[in-house]
Amino acid sequence: NAGVTQTPKFQVLKTGQSMTLQCAQDMNHEYMSWYRQDPGMGLRLIHYSVGAGITDQGEVPNGYNVSRSTTEDFPLRLLSAAPSQTSVYFCASGHQRDGLAGVRETQYFGPGTRLLVL
Amino acid sequence: SQKIEQNSEALNIQEGKTATLTCNYTNYSPAYLQWYRQDPGRGPVFLLLIRENEKEKRKERLKVTFDTTLKQSLFHITASQPADSATYLCALDSGVANDYKLSFGAGTTVTVRA
Repeated sequence: NAGVTQTPKFQVLKTGQSMTLQCAQDMNHEYMSWYRQDPGMGLRLIHYSVGAGITDQGEVPNGYNVSRSTTEDFPLRLLSAAPSQTSVYFCASGHQRDGLAGVRETQYFGPGTRLLVL
Repeated sequence: SQKIEQNSEALNIQEGKTATLTCNYTNYSPAYLQWYRQDPGRGPVFLLLIRENEKEKRKERLKVTFDTTLKQSLFHITASQPADSATYLCALDSGVANDYKLSFGAGTTVTVRA
């Protein structure tokens, strides 16, 4: 099991450029999500998905797009990079066992992608 | 709006002592509360999950309490070791079906001196 993998580990972009951050998991988790982490602000949810073909917005979705065509992959697209998007991005996945609201399992996080927008 | 606050100051403690971290929240009714550990340059790693109907949870040297009346969780590391030095994050989950989203606090950095 590789767990949650993210590529690239580090990226430098110029303002206005676009790029895709890749995230994959091999644990057959239905839930996947993207967070950004900025100093002193904690992790903030960007977008999330409850299964293939289903995505929804989190707390800070502007400037980002996602799609979920397979259970394993959940790429995050920056449409036109801005310096305010300089951050560390984490992908996470997890189970809600048996579809019950009352049962949760932990979320597993990837190693992160450090993005610098100049 | 929802607000989650953890110890604003970093925690520096002597090896062998107990570290106590707080997580307070407002405008939220979480069904679950989770604690994660994060080392520099790495993603968060799950430690413990406690449900709203549980008062306390333990795992080895870790203990978590959850008081829904006070809207507070306490996280204890007993017999602390230098290897426990890290940032600890609390995360809240509303528990709504098909809506597994975590809201995180900013974290508390713990340094354990040998």
